[in-house]
Amino acid sequence: QKEVEQNSGPLSVPEGAIASLNCTYSDRGSQSFFWYRQYSGKSPELIMFIYSNGDKEDGRFTAQLNKASQYVSLLIRDSQPSDSATYLCAVKEGAQKLVFGQGTRLTINP
Amino acid sequence: DTEVTQTPKHLVMGMTNKKSLKCEQHMGHRAMYWYKQKAKKPPELMFVYSYEKLSINESVPSRFSPECPNSSLLNLHLHALQPEDSALYLCASSQGHSGANVLTFGAGSRLTVL
Repeated sequence: QKEVEQNSGPLSVPEGAIASLNCTYSDRGSQSFFWYRQYSGKSPELIMFIYSNGDKEDGRFTAQLNKASQYVSLLIRDSQPSDSATYLCAVKEGAQKLVFGQGTRLTINP
Repeated sequence: DTEVTQTPKHLVMGMTNKKSLKCEQHMGHRAMYWYKQKAKKPPELMFVYSYEKLSINESVPSRFSPECPNSSLLNLHLHALQPEDSALYLCASSQGHSGANVLTFGAGSRLTVL
């Protein structure tokens, strides 16, 4: 099984700053990458996904892929207290399976 | 509001009980999933149904029995569970085609086994 690794944190960022979350993956052939946000006691919700062919920006969120070093990052600009959550990185394995990292707990301090 | 509906939200059962978790989606998705999530851990895949056929079973114990009556419904039948099976059970669906295969999760069913 592919491996996906994240620093479990907690990562503490002041409000208004940029939060940077990273995820490394083991399979060089991976082509689809996902970031999910999970609030405590809730289910994961998709923030964004990217393919191996490029980065993506959506509002305050940017996902970037570094294929050479096999890591994916999520940048959150102008961090808000409502961004405090656990962020799960996932990599697609085969046609239907997602392999999740352990998640990084992010805290935005007002 | 989530477009994947799970019932019940909470379930408490004894080790000799038989119960079921239910999941429904009306997005026309053709793949449905059961994940198990323990506290402070990532979701772990249990089963995948694709076009109403079981396509992945991640070596889940037989005390968990999935069922997909039609493309909109997914059940998880529970029997003779152990206390360590207490967890959040997440249903998800996806279009089921090739490509990104983005999962949409339901709100989950929190199971406690006494």
